[in-house]
Amino acid sequence: EAGVTQFPSHSVIEKGQTVTLRCDPISGHDNLYWYRRVMGKEIKFLLHFVKESKQDESGMPNNRFLAERTGGTYSTLKVQPAELEDSGVYFCASSHEGQGISGYTFGSGTRLTVV
Amino acid sequence: GEDVEQSLFLSVREGDSSVINCTYTDSSSTYLYWYKQEPGAGLQLLTYIFSNMDMKQDQRLTVLLNKKDKHLSLRIADTQTGDSAIYFCAESITGKLIFGQGTTLQVKP
Repeated sequence: EAGVTQFPSHSVIEKGQTVTLRCDPISGHDNLYWYRRVMGKEIKFLLHFVKESKQDESGMPNNRFLAERTGGTYSTLKVQPAELEDSGVYFCASSHEGQGISGYTFGSGTRLTVV
Repeated sequence: GEDVEQSLFLSVREGDSSVINCTYTDSSSTYLYWYKQEPGAGLQLLTYIFSNMDMKQDQRLTVLLNKKDKHLSLRIADTQTGDSAIYFCAESITGKLIFGQGTTLQVKP
């Protein structure tokens, strides 16, 4: 079974540009989560999809961040325009419906650097 | 509020035991977790403990939970160089994970 795949693995962009991160969850996983780790700090929850619906987006930092999951399969997280403080590692995780957190599978993350 | 704290760095010699500590603030968490992140890899669930347990042992890993003090620890026996990684403790609140800052474990040969 393929794991959670994130693309790209690294991205370096200039302040003010737009970047789109992609997450492909494990096939059949209804739950999809985005988390972010700003350098050296804790990993913070951004949002949770159940299929294509946003279940909880309480962690989204501001309206420069837009997450979508059209069709309930892969998800994208767009940052527009990017600011320096958006640099960090963005993790995606997925799980089956009804599975607890022990059923989460995380991707390897996308390291975003805004210069 | 939701807050999880960990020390940032631990260095041990190969073969010694490692103890990574964590404190948390929300007493309503049902489970507490330890994740491991190796360089270039994702977060791997190492172990978790139910909040009504004091201790859980899984091969070289021992988790101790002091619910009164809201203190969680992870002990790795006979630490190996392959255990070098960042270790995150986390609590679950309303279906999402609240992580600490991560403890970087350095294992010297």
